[in-house]
Amino acid sequence: EAQVTQNPRYLITVTGKKLTVTCSQNMNHEYMSWYRQDPGLGLRQIYYSMNVEVTDKGDVPEGYKVSRKEKRNFPLILESPSPNQTSLYFCASRQRTDTGELFFGEGSRLTVL
Amino acid sequence: QKEVEQDPGPLSVPEGAIVSLNCTYSNSAFQYFMWYRQYSRKGPELLMYTYSSGNKEDGRFTAQVDKSSKYISLFIRDSQPSDSATYLCAMSVPPYAGNNRKLIWGLGTSLAVNP
Repeated sequence: EAQVTQNPRYLITVTGKKLTVTCSQNMNHEYMSWYRQDPGLGLRQIYYSMNVEVTDKGDVPEGYKVSRKEKRNFPLILESPSPNQTSLYFCASRQRTDTGELFFGEGSRLTVL
Repeated sequence: QKEVEQDPGPLSVPEGAIVSLNCTYSNSAFQYFMWYRQYSRKGPELLMYTYSSGNKEDGRFTAQVDKSSKYISLFIRDSQPSDSATYLCAMSVPPYAGNNRKLIWGLGTSLAVNP
């Protein structure tokens, strides 16, 4: 089954404790992206990757890091989480040449105390 | 002014009603228009996809794009309780405008269809 898998789905952590949210897709997509979704602000792009070893900032990259060492994986790293990073995070992927259809993971709800 | 405006609702309708969801936008360069559906505790999934102007129909769903008015609509006929979800519009520019071609999202409209 074609899917984007994120882990963990739910996480409560404390300020400053480094964490990684993993994302893996099995559709051989070149393009992958991370979003955060907040009430009243909608979906905002954090980082994206056009292919292996190619990453770039989205609209809200501050406080986040990503890496793309393999085509299928695109982890999101919060080096020193802060309460304003409490949010619902989504990983998404598509073919690089596609014009729009993104396939989303089920989301990771992060709470930073 | 946001590039894409969407009334967040919530919208509550009886089963069987015709539902109309709308978005307006300001960037005339948008060529690709999408509607995503997001169930509670799930990621968005693509529902309808339209290129440029016109209508597209898929079962009970119809997507319309009016580029002259910068206005897109999603109609749901014979709405069902299973249609209860948040509906997000999204738009993007043509491929030649940049590699990211990131989607610009509306905030989403929450819809409840009551039995």
